[in-house]
Amino acid sequence: GAGVSQSPSNKVTEKGKDVELRCDPISGHTALYWYRQRLGQGLEFLIYFQGNSAPDKSGLPSDRFSAERTGESVSTLTIQRTQQEDSAVYLCASRPIPTEAYGYTFGSGTRLTVV
Amino acid sequence: QKEVEQNSGPLSVPEGAIASLNCTYSDRGSQSFFWYRQYSGKSPELIMSIYSNGDKEDGRFTAQLNKASQYVSLLIRDSQPSDSATYLCAALSGAGSYQLTFGKGTKLSVIP
Repeated sequence: GAGVSQSPSNKVTEKGKDVELRCDPISGHTALYWYRQRLGQGLEFLIYFQGNSAPDKSGLPSDRFSAERTGESVSTLTIQRTQQEDSAVYLCASRPIPTEAYGYTFGSGTRLTVV
Repeated sequence: QKEVEQNSGPLSVPEGAIASLNCTYSDRGSQSFFWYRQYSGKSPELIMSIYSNGDKEDGRFTAQLNKASQYVSLLIRDSQPSDSATYLCAALSGAGSYQLTFGKGTKLSVIP
């Protein structure tokens, strides 16, 4: 597609429920990243996928968070047993190839509200 | 630990003035640098990239890089109210690094 597509754009869920967020990167972009941004805060790295390599999960805040990506296509971020502190905007970004010349292109984000 | 530091602001400039946004980074191996603009409630948008020491100009925007001082800046000439946003500086380390390290951003307000 022309840009990074994320769905849903907004999600309100009850505490304790599981949620699944979706990211469709730009076609041909091999690298995919998930970030979290709490209100008024900076970007918090969650996880990084590069092709078929093992993902870099070093930013996942707890074992309630997991993500998958098949090849160079869609990725899903799953949050189990959601807590109020999970409320944030979840941003997905993709990048063409892992060289120094390219920055990320971000999607429009999923705003998650846990009530 | 790789860090990118920015003054959080807010930085207020009058319309038509030059806005100067600054950033320092800790990883001397960083090779590429990026400026993102983030409007309130929106996702970050890439506006400039710079890889070599010196200046890089694109329209009203000029990025400056000084690797010896580990310093990156963004100048916005003829600032407009529509430039009011948070500006994020990001650094990419050298060979084999696939992640950008982001600063927390500087909030810019352009006063009409």
